[in-house]
Amino acid sequence: DGGITQSPKYLFRKEGQNVTLSCEQNLNHDAMYWYRQDPGQGLRLIYYSQIVNDFQKGDIAEGYSVSREKKESFPLTVTSAQKNPTAFYLCASSTGEGFENEQFFGPGTRLTVL
Amino acid sequence: GNSVTQMEGPVTLSEEAFLTINCTYTATGYPSLFWYVQYPGEGLQLLLKATKADDKGSNKGFEATYRKETTSFHLEKGSVQVSDSAVYFCALPGEAAGNKLTFGGGTRVLVKP
Repeated sequence: DGGITQSPKYLFRKEGQNVTLSCEQNLNHDAMYWYRQDPGQGLRLIYYSQIVNDFQKGDIAEGYSVSREKKESFPLTVTSAQKNPTAFYLCASSTGEGFENEQFFGPGTRLTVL
Repeated sequence: GNSVTQMEGPVTLSEEAFLTINCTYTATGYPSLFWYVQYPGEGLQLLLKATKADDKGSNKGFEATYRKETTSFHLEKGSVQVSDSAVYFCALPGEAAGNKLTFGGGTRVLVKP
């Protein structure tokens, strides 16, 4: 079955540590996205990538980094520079052609900083 | 830029009640409009969409009509079930390239038996 996988489902980190969240898709989608969701709030875009080896900052990129070395993979690193990293992180993908297309979401990773 | 505003929750109602969640938008042109749903502990999934004015999207008993006169895309369901308890997000594409979506703040719906 095609879809998006995120791992791990739950992640705990000590302050000052970097941590990488995995996102893999087998939908053959060109575009991929990372969102952050805080309790009771909507989604905010962190980074997005329209094609391999290219990515752009979203609305809240500070303290985060990404790479897009393969079409299927778009890992997100939460660095120690992110002041309040505890949140639910969602990865998504789409065909990226025009504005009409649905985004498909993974199940999310809940990150807690101890 | 494109933006969307939806009613705040939580919305609490009894099983078989009528549900309406209001969504209004500001946009350049006439972009597609979307409703996404997030069940507890999960990612978002597309519930329905409409691609042009006067279109009605429908799925799982939910409906929403693209109203350009009132710039609205309200979500409705005639008889909710406990399993409809979730957070609902209205969304539309940003005006720039990249198929970015702009989401509303989400409306939590709790259906009690």
